[in-house]
Amino acid sequence: AQSVTQPDIHITVSEGASLELRCNYSYGATPYLFWYVQSPGQGLQLLLKYFSGDTLVQGIKGFEAEFKRSQSSFNLRKPSVHWSDAAEYFCAEVDSSYKLIFGSGTRLLVRP
Amino acid sequence: DGGITQSPKYLFRKEGQNVTLSCEQNLNHDAMYWYRQDPGQGLRLIYYSQIVNDFQKGDIAEGYSVSREKKESFPLTVTSAQKNPTAFYLCASSITSGGINEQFFGPGTRLTVL
Repeated sequence: AQSVTQPDIHITVSEGASLELRCNYSYGATPYLFWYVQSPGQGLQLLLKYFSGDTLVQGIKGFEAEFKRSQSSFNLRKPSVHWSDAAEYFCAEVDSSYKLIFGSGTRLLVRP
Repeated sequence: DGGITQSPKYLFRKEGQNVTLSCEQNLNHDAMYWYRQDPGQGLRLIYYSQIVNDFQKGDIAEGYSVSREKKESFPLTVTSAQKNPTAFYLCASSITSGGINEQFFGPGTRLTVL
């Protein structure tokens, strides 16, 4: 079955440190991939998306993600984390029926 | 402001009762979706609708029902047949149901069964 894997349930970083959240997808030679962020008790907000073209994608709030076909990965990065980045992050992929499949999420904690 | 509204934000129900969650969008989107979110499990698709008066089951439709009588509205009913309804429910919409279109999410409704 098609799946999206986010291997890290929790990640803790210090404010100002760099961040990388991992995501592995399972479907398609040309996948459609998304990263969403969710603050506690809120809906999801789109950070960035990849459909084709440049493998390094820029998003909102200073986030970027790199698509690596050879590793089936779409990792999210930020060079310097702010306390307001503490949230849960979801990677998602469009499946063969054009529906979104979500990973189980990574909760980011930011140390002051 | 364009967006998606869900009401209520918190909902409590007794076992055996049906309850309806509201979802309204003013984005003029054709497609609408309902997801269930449980801790550590990401989002799972309950139902989706590609157009008015049409909807399809998602991965976990048992115990739920929907209607799509208006483009703007996609209410979800959690029936007494849903064995474990306590969860966070998210509604979303997209321009069409084609997968490359971004889905916009509402703020969610937290349902607790007492």
